[in-house]
Amino acid sequence: EVQLLESGGGLVQPGESLRLSCAASGFTFSSAVMGWVRQAPGKGLEWVSDISSTGDATFYVDSVRGRFTVSRDNSKNTLNLQMNNLRAEDTALYYCAKRMRSTGGSYDSWGQGTLVTVSS
Amino acid sequence: EIVMTQSPATLSVSPGERATVSCRASQSVSTNLAWYQQKPGQPPRVLIYDVSTRATGFPARFSGSGSGTEFTLTISSLQSEDFAVYYCQQYTAWPLTFGGGTKVEIK
Repeated sequence: EVQLLESGGGLVQPGESLRLSCAASGFTFSSAVMGWVRQAPGKGLEWVSDISSTGDATFYVDSVRGRFTVSRDNSKNTLNLQMNNLRAEDTALYYCAKRMRSTGGSYDSWGQGTLVTVSS
Repeated sequence: EIVMTQSPATLSVSPGERATVSCRASQSVSTNLAWYQQKPGQPPRVLIYDVSTRATGFPARFSGSGSGTEFTLTISSLQSEDFAVYYCQQYTAWPLTFGGGTKVEIK
């Protein structure tokens, strides 16, 4: 059974940093394209970032490019999202998700999410 | 960026009735289109992928159709467990984009 468990969320002030992690199990992590999707309170889904299976290709939504960095440790089956210079508009539930195919596809597994709140 | 536009935002349907949700892409996404179901307090679940392939665990009353820029999710006979929010998503190009969501509620 695929399991994705996010951690690292919390309350921070604008301009501060936070590092999210996602522990993966139940599948061959090193072969999977992984991503982060967020959902602001009461709002819809917004894709944030993807990373290739090897970690050598990363992709970001424009609003976080230059502030967020996605990475992975295939030896530890862990996905990370380093978030710097956080803004109020980054407040959301952040989901870790696995893409269906090694070449992409839809997200076929999701974690429960970790809440990030940016407020002074 | 490919903009995904869903309609309607809210759909009020009686149990047993048919529900149809539309999704329009600002440019062709080929067959790289998925639908997700999200219930309160839960993460999304993929419902349909590659336009029309139903994901494991979802019954045949759910179907997807379309091509290019126009897509449809149909629930043939709504059951109580189907009342939820539905999102379309294109994965043909980064940035991946979602539609704004359609809340299917009990009439």
